[in-house]
Amino acid sequence: DAGVTQSPTHLIKTRGQHVTLRCSPISGHKSVSWYQQVLGQGPQFIFQYYEKEERGRGNFPDRFSARQFPNYSSELNVNALLLGDSALYLCASSLEDDQPQHFGDGTRLSIL
Amino acid sequence: QKEVEQNSGPLSVPEGAIASLNCTYSDRGSQSFFWYRQYSGKSPELIMFIYSNGDKEDGRFTAQLNKASQYVSLLIRDSQPSDSATYLCAVNPSSSNTGKLIFGQGTTLQVKP
Repeated sequence: DAGVTQSPTHLIKTRGQHVTLRCSPISGHKSVSWYQQVLGQGPQFIFQYYEKEERGRGNFPDRFSARQFPNYSSELNVNALLLGDSALYLCASSLEDDQPQHFGDGTRLSIL
Repeated sequence: QKEVEQNSGPLSVPEGAIASLNCTYSDRGSQSFFWYRQYSGKSPELIMFIYSNGDKEDGRFTAQLNKASQYVSLLIRDSQPSDSATYLCAVNPSSSNTGKLIFGQGTTLQVKP
């Protein structure tokens, strides 16, 4: 079975632009969470979606938004990119919202 | 006080030894605890989860949970050079009512041949 898939794998943007990152969960998984990981730190929670509804939001500005589609795939959008948004963005899926989460390979976002 | 704390290391052990990785958490009501392994340049990989006090074993890995002491650990027996990675402790806090995970900064493990 395919794991969590994320696209693109790498992305280079400039300050002020916006970006859309995509995630397809493991088949049958209804919950998708997004995390941001900067070098040397553990992942930081951004959002969780379950059955297309937002279940949780981390301490990130309103420039960050997300949604989940009827097929349980998800998008993370970031507007007005800042240099500090450079990070590895990880998507994780789980069967239910309190079950173990499995991560995709991530999208490495670089802001110039 | 950080919500989830780990010693960043590096923790260096010889091949074949037991590696002991530790994690403390601040939310006493936390119910779910996870260990992830992350190789350099890769994404985290789930290796163990534990919900109840005590030990849980899976192959060479043992997770230990002590809720009274707010302490969770991971033991790796017969450590191999391929175990060299960063190990992330993650906790689902009781206040979240979601699947939100709070991660420690990770402990780097080096297994020397």
